[in-house]
Amino acid sequence: SAVISQKPSRDICQRGTSLTIQCQVDSQVTMMFWYRQQPGQSLTLIATANQGSEATYESGFVIDKFPISRPNLTFSTLTVSNMSPEDSSIYLCAAGEPSNQPQHFGDGTRLSIL
Amino acid sequence: SQKIEQNSEALNIQEGKTATLTCNYTNYSPAYLQWYRQDPGRGPVFLLLIRENEKEKRKERLKVTFDTTLKQSLFHITASQPADSATYLCALVTLSGNTPLVFGKGTRLSVIA
Repeated sequence: SAVISQKPSRDICQRGTSLTIQCQVDSQVTMMFWYRQQPGQSLTLIATANQGSEATYESGFVIDKFPISRPNLTFSTLTVSNMSPEDSSIYLCAAGEPSNQPQHFGDGTRLSIL
Repeated sequence: SQKIEQNSEALNIQEGKTATLTCNYTNYSPAYLQWYRQDPGRGPVFLLLIRENEKEKRKERLKVTFDTTLKQSLFHITASQPADSATYLCALVTLSGNTPLVFGKGTRLSVIA
């Protein structure tokens, strides 16, 4: 199974700044995903990162706030822009193949905004 | 509205007993249902996948059932051990295929020695 490395593992940021989270997979994968997980809550999908095309965003998430890059089949970034305290959360990267195969997750980025 | 619910937020059981976790869904037609384990500070780890036409799936001490009539999946851990203590998440994929996983909130299992 794919091994996902995510960095930074945690950060404390100032309100109004932006942070880019990186996700590296040890093998080529078709699909990469970005989730948000708030304490005691389920994982919420932000977007699916597509190689060679724009990301597909879920309802409630927009590209201006969460721009995503997917330059190749092993790497993706998520930027959290113009951060506010409401953006404090854990952001998780996942990778998988189509046809409903299991997803493999990184250990997340714990983000706190002051 | 569509919902996926894991009925127990937390479950405590004695070591050696069987833990049974429940996942119910409403207004979905899942083609697949997956179970994941999540330890504190870590990402979820895939455990088992069961398809809509499968009644039961087993892997070592783990067993998953899927009842599309009851709209429910049960996840069992037999001969539970303290090392099984973690949060267990169910997630479903709808019949439209290649759609995102929809996760429940999880059940935090504590196995007491």
